[in-house]
Order: sequence, then structure tokens, then C-alpha cells
Amino acid sequence: DTGVSQDPRHKITKRGQNVTFRCDPISEHNRLYWYRQTLGQGPEFLTYFQNEAQLEKSRLLSDRFSAERPKGSFSTLEIQRTEQGDSAMYLCASSFRGVSTDTQYFGPGTRLTVL
Amino acid sequence: TQLLEQSPQFLSIQEGENLTVYCNSSSVFSSLQWYRQEPGEGPVLLVTVVTGGEVKKLKRLTFQFGDARKDSSLHITAAQPGDTGLYLCAGLLYGGSQGNLIFGKGTKLSVKP
Repeated sequence: DTGVSQDPRHKITKRGQNVTFRCDPISEHNRLYWYRQTLGQGPEFLTYFQNEAQLEKSRLLSDRFSAERPKGSFSTLEIQRTEQGDSAMYLCASSFRGVSTDTQYFGPGTRLTVL
Repeated sequence: TQLLEQSPQFLSIQEGENLTVYCNSSSVFSSLQWYRQEPGEGPVLLVTVVTGGEVKKLKRLTFQFGDARKDSSLHITAAQPGDTGLYLCAGLLYGGSQGNLIFGKGTKLSVKP
């Protein structure tokens, strides 16, 4: 399978713990995106990278959230001191930025539950 | 304020019926995508439209981008139970972020056999 992959698929943690999610994009894609989706809502943008550079961060991305893409390939999203409000589906997407509009392809998501 | 308004939010129809889902905005988009999402899974891309007035067909699904690039529609002909799912429209604002895909809340479609 050459699509976007995410790990883990599900994570249950206690409030106050740190969690880290991983995303592996489609191999030739140079852009990688993180979104958060809560029940009954569409995904909301968190941040995106072009190669290893983080180009944009949403105001939704509080100080407790950090994302990295150290070698321009896979990316990690870490949430420190988790809160119950962090419970959501975390989606990763990737795209190839060429001369025309690049379309984002999504992974299966990581479902986070904070108890 | 929701930048992309989808309607209806919920739709329950019988197999064989036709339906249209709408995605409206007061803002101009440089491109617009339609995705379908199953419970517990990520959105799966159906189509991308970039030109005002563009019409694309994918088997029984017809997608249209408004002339002013502010709205879009998805029409399904002779719906089947396999079409059941959450349909999401999403777009990149014209002159805005190149990465921030703005989503509607989705239309939850249920097709009964």
C-alpha cells in the first residue's frame, strides 16, 4: 500500500500524559499536513510542512502541541500534558506541490481518547 | 462563522433515488475538493475542481464548481447503499494559505436498500 499511513490508529491516555503520533506520507510527496477532527465537524487545519520546513501553524496549535518533520519524510505530532479537550481524530495528509494546485491525500487517522 | 456551508447536513433516501449536496461560501476558492469519509477512517478524495464552471463526472457522481468559484455541488444519480457515508467539501481560499484546506461540516448520507 503506497498511501499515507499513521501510527498508532488508536491511543487512550490519561490526562496530563504526553503522546506522540507518527505520519508517513506518500513517498514522492513534498508537503505534509496535520488536521484535527472532532465529532460532527469537518477536519480543522493544524500545521503543514514543505520538505522539512514548517510553513504554517494554526492558532489551534497551542504551546502543548509540537510537530516535526526532521528529514522531510515522516512527521511526528506530540501533545504534552494532554487534556480531555484534546480527544479527537488526528489526521495527516500529504501532497505534491507542483506548478498547479496540489491535492491533499489523507491517512486513516489516529483516534485519541484522553481520560 | 463557517466559511464553507454544506447542505443538507443529513440525508436519508431509498436506493435508486437521485440527490444533490451543496457547498456554499461568500468567499472565492482557488480549488475545491470533495471527499467521502467512513466512520473511524480518514477522508478519501473523490474529485478536485479548479476552474469556474467546471463539471466533472465520476460514474454516477457529477461535481460542479460555480462560475464564481464560491460554490459547488455533488449530484448522485440512482444512489446505492454503497454510497452511504459522510461527504465533505473542502477548499483552498483564493489568495490565502496554500496549505490550510477549509472544510465544511459534511453531509451524512444514508441510502436504504
